[in-house]
Amino acid sequence: AQSVAQPEDQVNVAEGNPLTVKCTYSVSGNPYLFWYVQYPNRGLQFLLKYITGDNLVKGSYGFEAEFNKSQTSFHLKKPSALVSDSALYFCAVRDSFWKGTSYGKLTFGQGTILTVHP
Amino acid sequence: EPEVTQTPSHQVTQMGQEVILRCVPISNHLYFYWYRQILGQKVEFLVSFYNNEISEKSEIFDDQFSVERPDGSNFTLKIRSTKLEDSAMYFCASTQGTGGTEAFFGQGTRLTVV
Repeated sequence: AQSVAQPEDQVNVAEGNPLTVKCTYSVSGNPYLFWYVQYPNRGLQFLLKYITGDNLVKGSYGFEAEFNKSQTSFHLKKPSALVSDSALYFCAVRDSFWKGTSYGKLTFGQGTILTVHP
Repeated sequence: EPEVTQTPSHQVTQMGQEVILRCVPISNHLYFYWYRQILGQKVEFLVSFYNNEISEKSEIFDDQFSVERPDGSNFTLKIRSTKLEDSAMYFCASTQGTGGTEAFFGQGTRLTVV
């Protein structure tokens, strides 16, 4: 069974400071990893993904994430936080193994509320 | 930019009533999903759908739930007899097909069962 853990329910940072939102995962095969952001009363918006290749992936709005296979982690980072980054962030994993009719479900972490203070 | 659209945005229903949640996935996508998020909890997988049949379903997706793609564009989730615990935000998602592609989510339907 696949699982995702986001160990921090909340992360608070000051505007202009770097931010990190942590994620660790467990999957039987090679992982496909995703970060999504959810603003109030909105759906889930895709930020970035790791499929293969370079361990550092860059995504929307200046976010990046580093895949670490040995630590089974995929932490989300941004060098300089903005107040507008305040939202709920979800890490998700999908097993890369083709199951015959689908690549399988996304399994989400419980989410981390990011608050960026002016 | 293409997007997944869901209707209605909010539905209130009485316990025991049937509800149908509607979704229009992105037009060239092949795989369709329903997820739900109970208030304050994580997003949970319900069901995936490909080639007009269910590919995978979770233990949550019992006989009270059904999905169909009636006309090649809409993708619906039906709950036959709603329970209080079905109250949640329901998200529809679609992907082009390869496992490495990201899922695009709709804005969600908030279902409130009273």
